[in-house]
Amino acid sequence: KQEVTQIPAALSVPEGENLVLNCSFTDSAIYNLQWFRQDPGKGLTSLLLIQSSQREQTSGRLNASLDKSSGRSTLYIAASQPGDSATYLCGADMRFGAGTRLTVKP
Amino acid sequence: NAGVTQTPKFRVLKTGQSMTLLCAQDMNHEYMYWYRQDPGMGLRLIHYSVGEGTTAKGEVPDGYNVSRLKKQNFLLGLESAAPSQTSVYFCASSYWEGGDEQFFGPGTRLTVL
Repeated sequence: KQEVTQIPAALSVPEGENLVLNCSFTDSAIYNLQWFRQDPGKGLTSLLLIQSSQREQTSGRLNASLDKSSGRSTLYIAASQPGDSATYLCGADMRFGAGTRLTVKP
Repeated sequence: NAGVTQTPKFRVLKTGQSMTLLCAQDMNHEYMYWYRQDPGMGLRLIHYSVGEGTTAKGEVPDGYNVSRLKKQNFLLGLESAAPSQTSVYFCASSYWEGGDEQFFGPGTRLTVL
C-alpha cells in the first residue's frame, strides 16, 4: 500500500528566499508524481508532473525532482514571493500527502 | 473548455438523508476519480473509474456508491449520510492512469448534521 508523506507540515519564509518542499513515498513502482498548489477553499491546481521515466521537470521558478530508488521527490521554489503562499500537495498516482502549508512573508 | 466541474458547490444534509454529487469533464478523459479531503489528512481516494460503465473501490469506499453511465460524467452517491462524511469532495480526471496528469474540479463542501 502506497503511503505519501510531506515534511514539513508548515513552512514560513521571508520573501526572496529559495526553498525546498519534500515528499516521500513508500512504493517506488509509481507511474508518476504530481505536485499541486491549493489555495484556501479552492481546488487543486497542477504545477508539475514527473513521469516515472523522468528525473525532473521545470516550470518557471519551480523545479521538481524525482528519485524513485529512494522514494523521494522535492519541489524547489526559487526567489519566493508572497503570492506563492498556499498549500502544496504531492500525489503519487492516486495517493496524496497531507501537504505543506507555505507562507511567504513580505 | 470548462475542464472538470462539480455540482453542487455546497450542501448541508441531515443524518440519514441521501444525495448525489455530480462530476462532469469535457476533456474526453477515460479515468475519473472521487476523493475526499479532511483537515490534516490530505486527499483520500473513494472510488474511481477506468472508463464508461466501470467503477472500482479506492482507499475509503464504505458508505459511498458511484456510477459512470456516460464517459463524461461520474456520480458519487451517499445513501444514508453520516456526520463522518462531512468533508470536501473533489473529482478529478485523467486521460489514462499511467504517467498522465490529473485535473481537479473545484470541490463540493458537504456538511452532515
